[in-house]
Amino acid sequence: AQSVTQLDSQVPVFEEAPVELRCNYSSSVSVYLFWYVQYPNQGLQLLLKYLSGSTLVKGINGFEAEFNKSQTSFHLRKPSVHISDTAEYFCAVSDPAGGSYIPTFGRGTSLIVHP
Amino acid sequence: GAGVSQSPRYKVAKRGQDVALRCDPISGHVSLFWYQQALGQGPEFLTYFQNEAQLDKSGLPSDRFFAERPEGSVSTLKIQRTQQEDSAVYLCASSLGVSGTYNEQFFGPGTRLTVL
Repeated sequence: AQSVTQLDSQVPVFEEAPVELRCNYSSSVSVYLFWYVQYPNQGLQLLLKYLSGSTLVKGINGFEAEFNKSQTSFHLRKPSVHISDTAEYFCAVSDPAGGSYIPTFGRGTSLIVHP
Repeated sequence: GAGVSQSPRYKVAKRGQDVALRCDPISGHVSLFWYQQALGQGPEFLTYFQNEAQLDKSGLPSDRFFAERPEGSVSTLKIQRTQQEDSAVYLCASSLGVSGTYNEQFFGPGTRLTVL
């Protein structure tokens, strides 16, 4: 079964600074990778996804992530954060080769943007 | 509405009570998923429906948990004889296609269940 490790439970950062949220997954022949954002008292919203093709994936709200197969990582980055980016971020993986498109989620990283 | 809705948004139950949580998926979405999100954790899969058929219930933690989707649209997650460890946010998601191919899941706001 797939697993996801989000290395930081909390990431504090000042507004307009760059940020990286780290994600590593257990190895598999093929994977689909996702980043979701969850604002307080709301459901999850898809930020971006990697299914195949280019390893650099661009998503909504200026976020991007890079799929690194050799390091089994899918870190999320933004060059300049806003106060409104304060939220919980979840990395997720699914294993299409294993016949499952149901994602396995990490424990989440709380991004806290300070003015 | 345009999105997935869930009701109630908050539910407080005494230990031993039965609860029913409702999910209204996006109209026309074939697939429906339930997840459990404990405090400080990511969502964990509970069960999956394709139309009215429950194709995967491998994530249900015990036989106290039961889900149905009798007409292939609205779904209800029922928890019998609630325990304190059932306290969590229960998320529902729907997607347009079937689970054999990738389809984006759209999540509802969740129902926060607190068992006293």
